[in-house]
Amino acid sequence: DQQVKQNSPSLSVQEGRISILNCDYTNSMFDYFLWYKKYPAEGPTFLISISSIKDKNEDGRFTVFLNKSAKHLSLHIVPSQPGDSAVYFCAANNAGNNRKLIWGLGTSLAVNP
Amino acid sequence: NAGVTQTPKFRILKIGQSMTLQCTQDMNHNYMYWYRQDPGMGLKLIYYSVGAGITDKGEVPNGYNVSRSTTEDFPLRLELAAPSQTSVYFCASSYSRGGGDIQYFGAGTRLSVL
Repeated sequence: DQQVKQNSPSLSVQEGRISILNCDYTNSMFDYFLWYKKYPAEGPTFLISISSIKDKNEDGRFTVFLNKSAKHLSLHIVPSQPGDSAVYFCAANNAGNNRKLIWGLGTSLAVNP
Repeated sequence: NAGVTQTPKFRILKIGQSMTLQCTQDMNHNYMYWYRQDPGMGLKLIYYSVGAGITDKGEVPNGYNVSRSTTEDFPLRLELAAPSQTSVYFCASSYSRGGGDIQYFGAGTRLSVL
């Protein structure tokens, strides 16, 4: 029962182009969504988040879009850089669930020079 | 600023041995978590704590125990190691900020049970 789904295990893009990472969820009670980035041999690090009352949040090269009716969110990275090569995890939170995060399986992004 | 510190970074155990994975945070966060990540999988919550003296089970608690005697420390105990516990273990902490909580992670402990 995967409540947060990242259906693309991997993605490869050219440097300078846009990277789009997708995430779908099934639980309409989720009210906060987060993206984490993970390099090998390191712990995940927080990247960007969005509340369910918004449909877009931007931070520099990173933008997250939320479509509540479709239960879908996406992370856009523009322009992509080789240092963005990492595994990206989508996570969702239900404030009534004691702040536990539900995690997707991750998408491995490779940005080619 | 250390953040979340996990020790050891690597460990090899024999079946049936026990060990404690250490986790300490210096951010005065009230929430702490233990996750495991198996190859190609996402993060599975083992145990979590909402404050000193309070712990609760996550998705995959079997074979593990935790305690939280101080705000800073949240050790994870494996009593009888089994090959199924071979994984990478992450400790995280967060504070309640009125919206979604951001969890801050340690670098992980890579455990092999042979």
